[in-house]
Amino acid sequence: KQEVTQIPAALSVPEGENLVLNCSFTDSAIYNLQWFRQDPGKGLTSLLLIQSSQREQTSGRLNASLDKSSGRSTLYIAASQPGDSATYLCAARRLMDSSYKLIFGSGTRLLVRP
Amino acid sequence: NAGVMQNPRHLVRRRGQEARLRCSPMKGHSHVYWYRQLPEEGLKFMVYLQKENIIDESGMPKERFSAEFPKEGPSILRIQQVVRGDSAAYFCASSPQGHLSSYEQYFGPGTRLTVT
Repeated sequence: KQEVTQIPAALSVPEGENLVLNCSFTDSAIYNLQWFRQDPGKGLTSLLLIQSSQREQTSGRLNASLDKSSGRSTLYIAASQPGDSATYLCAARRLMDSSYKLIFGSGTRLLVRP
Repeated sequence: NAGVMQNPRHLVRRRGQEARLRCSPMKGHSHVYWYRQLPEEGLKFMVYLQKENIIDESGMPKERFSAEFPKEGPSILRIQQVVRGDSAAYFCASSPQGHLSSYEQYFGPGTRLTVT
């Protein structure tokens, strides 16, 4: 059974800092892993999707890495801004799951202080 | 191209009433997923549907919950005789196909159900 864990649960940093959010999964047989952003009371915005054959994906100030052997993914945010404050969720899609559902972590609540 | 649409955005029901949540997938998408987010928790899978078929309902509570995705019209998540524990945000996602592919799931804004 796939379980996804995110550490830390909450993080507060001053503006401008580079930061890393962690995501771990128990079953390395994943098809892909996706990072989302969720603002309070809002839906999910997809940030990055990493296929199992990839090591990392980049979009602007965001970089996500994937290490299947250790069951870990990280989301790196460079030069953080107050507008980055949100909850960040990672979700894994299992390789041999015919329903292709996403298994989510509980999220990391990020606060970037001006 | 409109994104995934859900309505209502907010729904208040008294205990014992029925709640009907609607999801219109993105144009061209024929696969729909429903997820539930309890307060302070991550999203939990409920059900996966294709047009007129339930493919995986392993995350659905055994009683009071049902889902459909008819040939015409939106997908409906129905909760009968709601209880306070059903209060949550319900998200719908759609994808163009369910076959193993790089296609992402696109999420709607959610319906926030409050049971009083």
